[in-house]
Amino acid sequence: ETGVTQSPTHLIKTRGQQVTLRCSSQSGHNTVSWYQQALGQGPQFIFQYYREEENGRGNFPPRFSGLQFPNYSSELNVNALELDDSALYLCASSLDGVGAFFGQGTRLTVV
Amino acid sequence: GQQLNQSPQSMFIQEGEDVSMNCTSSSIFNTWLWYKQDPGEGPVLLIALYKAGELTSNGRLTAQFGITRKDSFLNISASIPSDVGIYFCAHNSGGSNYKLTFGKGTLLTVNP
Repeated sequence: ETGVTQSPTHLIKTRGQQVTLRCSSQSGHNTVSWYQQALGQGPQFIFQYYREEENGRGNFPPRFSGLQFPNYSSELNVNALELDDSALYLCASSLDGVGAFFGQGTRLTVV
Repeated sequence: GQQLNQSPQSMFIQEGEDVSMNCTSSSIFNTWLWYKQDPGEGPVLLIALYKAGELTSNGRLTAQFGITRKDSFLNISASIPSDVGIYFCAHNSGGSNYKLTFGKGTLLTVNP
């Protein structure tokens, strides 16, 4: 186990709704990255947070946003959900951005 | 963006057989990483490679960083049922900060 926990493990949302996913990083880790993994694909980098600041972003629209808290836990928010947002969302934590220890993911289904 | 081409897409083998999978890119990389993902879990790092020509083992797993810096392979010897899963190659595009680009994965099935 990596010590990275994500919640919830599964959820179902309706198109147009908003969703918040949560990640608790491994103890001592100050960097959190979020990835989207569509069915049959490898994970795709969404963005990274380092010491509460966004530190790099992948090719995702602004309706994907995030936060990192003083305890280094993080949230991923997605507004105006689309059917294609259905995926496994993975959080990875590390110390100073070195390495990536993944949580078990949140399976989001948009109907 | 950078694309990692991973092959084969899937493999079905008998327990005890050796397995080889590879990953290629049109760009030169400074790192190659190999991850395994079990069903319902996040990826777990198996082997990290940082230098062209580097050959690294982790138990029954061996991976090499190609001399051209555009490819890498992963070998699994004497496969066992728990080797089942999806194997991903990945590249760190973020320098000192890990911002990973993954291939599409190789699905490995091991028949006991």
